[in-house]
Amino acid sequence: DSGVTQTPKHLITATGQRVTLRCSPRSGDLSVYWYQQSLDQGLQFLIQYYNGEERAKGNILERFSAQQFPDLHSELNLSSLELGDSALYFCASSAGDGYYEQYFGPGTRLTVT
Amino acid sequence: GNSVTQMEGPVTLSEEAFLTINCTYTATGYPSLFWYVQYPGEGLQLLLKATKADDKGSNKGFEATYRKETTSFHLEKGSVQVSDSAVYFCALIRGGSNYKLTFGKGTLLTVNP
Repeated sequence: DSGVTQTPKHLITATGQRVTLRCSPRSGDLSVYWYQQSLDQGLQFLIQYYNGEERAKGNILERFSAQQFPDLHSELNLSSLELGDSALYFCASSAGDGYYEQYFGPGTRLTVT
Repeated sequence: GNSVTQMEGPVTLSEEAFLTINCTYTATGYPSLFWYVQYPGEGLQLLLKATKADDKGSNKGFEATYRKETTSFHLEKGSVQVSDSAVYFCALIRGGSNYKLTFGKGTLLTVNP
C-alpha cells in the first residue's frame, strides 16, 4: 500500500459526459501528479500540482482540468468524453517539487462507451 | 526531449533463471533513474532508483546500475520467481521546468514454474 488513494476504482460512462476522479496523496506529500495509461500511448504525464498551485502541464487535453484543494487532495475533471479517453488514470504524490520519489495510487479505470 | 527506451517484451523465463531487462535513456544533464513494477490489476510500485552516475539501486533481489557513459540503467535479477511476473517500467526524472516521470513502454515478464 503506497498510501495514495484514488476513487472510484472503476468508472463506466457514455460519450459526451463529464466525470471527476479523486486522489488523496500520502500524508505530508505536497505534490500530486496525474498520469494516463493507455495501450497505444503508454504512460503519459498529464499535470502536476504543488501545494495547491499548478506546477507543470504535459499532454493534457483542453477538455481535461485538475485542481488541488487546501487539504491537498486533487481532482481530475474530464469532460466531453470520447471513446479514446478510455484508459487507466493514475495519481502519484511526492514530498516536494524536485527529484523526489513518486508514489502511485491504484488507479481509476475509465471506460467510455 | 527526454526519452526512455526499454527492450520489447514479452519476456518469458523459467523459475530461477537470470533476468536482464535493458533500458537506455536520452536526457541532458543528470537525470534520476527509476524502475517501477506493475503487478496485474494494480498500480505502479517503485522498485529501485539511482540518482547519480555509478549508483546502484537494489531491492528485493533486483539491481540496476546508472551508467552515464552508455546512458543505460539495465534491470537484473539473479534468480526470478513466479511472483516476479509483472510489467516493468524504466523511467527518468530530468528537472528543469518540471519533475514529471518519463516512462519507457514497459516490459511484460512472465515467469513459469
